[in-house]
Amino acid sequence: KAGVTQTPRYLIKTRGQQVTLSCSPISGHRSVSWYQQTPGQGLQFLFEYFSETQRNKGNFPGRFSGRQFSNSRSEMNVSTLELGDSALYLCASSRKYQETQYFGPGTRLLVL
Amino acid sequence: AQSVTQLGSHVSVSEGALVLLRCNYSSSVPPYLFWYVQYPNQGLQLLLKYTTGATLVKGINGFEAEFKKSETSFHLTKPSAHMSDAAEYFCAVSQNTGNQFYFGTGTSLTVIP
Repeated sequence: KAGVTQTPRYLIKTRGQQVTLSCSPISGHRSVSWYQQTPGQGLQFLFEYFSETQRNKGNFPGRFSGRQFSNSRSEMNVSTLELGDSALYLCASSRKYQETQYFGPGTRLLVL
Repeated sequence: AQSVTQLGSHVSVSEGALVLLRCNYSSSVPPYLFWYVQYPNQGLQLLLKYTTGATLVKGINGFEAEFKKSETSFHLTKPSAHMSDAAEYFCAVSQNTGNQFYFGTGTSLTVIP
C-alpha cells in the first residue's frame, strides 16, 4: 500500500506570496493532519480534517488554511508568506479518529 | 492541555551500548503514547505506540518502551545501539478524546563507532 505523498517536496517563495501544498493520504484513510516543523519550535499542529470537515485547529494565524476533498486528499494554503514560515510541512493520515498517524516525507518551504 | 518533555536534546552512545531516550508527559486523561523516528530529509516513521493493555510495548528495529503511569513516563530503550539508529526521535501524546498529536522537542541520537 502506498504511503502518504506530499507535493511538491521543495518550494522556494518570496515574502508576500502565497503557496499551496498538497497531501495524498494512504488509501482508505479519512483523517489528514498538518504539522509545521522548525528547528526553534519543533513540531506544531496546524489542523486536522476528517471527511472534508476541519475538526481541530492549532494556534496559527488565519493566513494558514486548509481543505479536504471528497477523495480525502488535502491541501493547505499559506497566504502573505513571511520569512518565519520557512519550515518543513508534514502531512499525516490515519484511518479514522484516534488511530496511528502515518507521516509523509514533507514539503520543505523556503521563504526569501 | 497536553505536553511532552523529552529530556536531553542530544544523546550520544557507543555502538553496542544501551540506548535510553526519556519522555515524560502531562495529561489529565489516559493518553495514547507514541515514539517516532525521523531520518534526515524524511518524514516521521512510527517506532511504537501504547494505547491500552500491556505497558511494555515492543516496536520496530529492536526498540521498546514502557508506560509508567505513576511516573507519567514513556521512555524508549534499545539494548544495543547500531550505527543505523542515528536519527531524531520524537515522543508524542494524544488524548483518547481527540486526534491532535502533541510532540516533544525531539532527541538527536548519535551513535559513536
